[in-house]
Amino acid sequence: DSGVTQTPKHLITATGQRVTLRCSPRSGDLSVYWYQQSLDQGLQFLIQYYNGEERAKGNILERFSAQQFPDLHSELNLSSLELGDSALYFCASSLKTGYNEQFFGPGTRLTVL
Amino acid sequence: AQSVAQPEDQVNVAEGNPLTVKCTYSVSGNPYLFWYVQYPNRGLQFLLKYITGDNLVKGSYGFEAEFNKSQTSFHLKKPSALVSDSALYFCAVRGTTGNQFYFGTGTSLTVIP
Repeated sequence: DSGVTQTPKHLITATGQRVTLRCSPRSGDLSVYWYQQSLDQGLQFLIQYYNGEERAKGNILERFSAQQFPDLHSELNLSSLELGDSALYFCASSLKTGYNEQFFGPGTRLTVL
Repeated sequence: AQSVAQPEDQVNVAEGNPLTVKCTYSVSGNPYLFWYVQYPNRGLQFLLKYITGDNLVKGSYGFEAEFNKSQTSFHLKKPSALVSDSALYFCAVRGTTGNQFYFGTGTSLTVIP
């Protein structure tokens, strides 16, 4: 158990809908990262927050957004969902940033029908 | 452009034999290099990292990796493979002049009893 929790574990929804994925980092970790893992794209870095502020942005679509709250938990919002958004979404946390190793949550499997 | 490559999608090795999983990278500035392992239906787990210092890095479960700056490589090694090492292995890199993390496409390791 990495100490990172993600809810829900599974999510099934329809095209055009909006969903919110939630992540609670390990106790004491200030950075939260979001990743998308799919068979054709591999593991793609989406976005990083550090202590409530956006620190780095990767291949995140404009339909997707995230935030980190004062208690350091984070949410990833996915809107106008398309079939191609079906994937495993991982959250990870680290103590600070840069050279700190990341601890990954168990993931949320999103299926868009 | 910053990137990381894992040239082998699949590596098979007999139990007890040494194993190598290859990784090369391209990054701005000095690299921070990481190896992670993913077991089926689980999140990624940190194995080891190179930040600076000794080129040979030792990590969890008997794994080690060697940083080679001239060849821009960071290959993962283990002297004697176990069946339980069978999993998906990811190399990741972050440059010191940027905040994005780049993951390789993963190498599926199968250790044959």
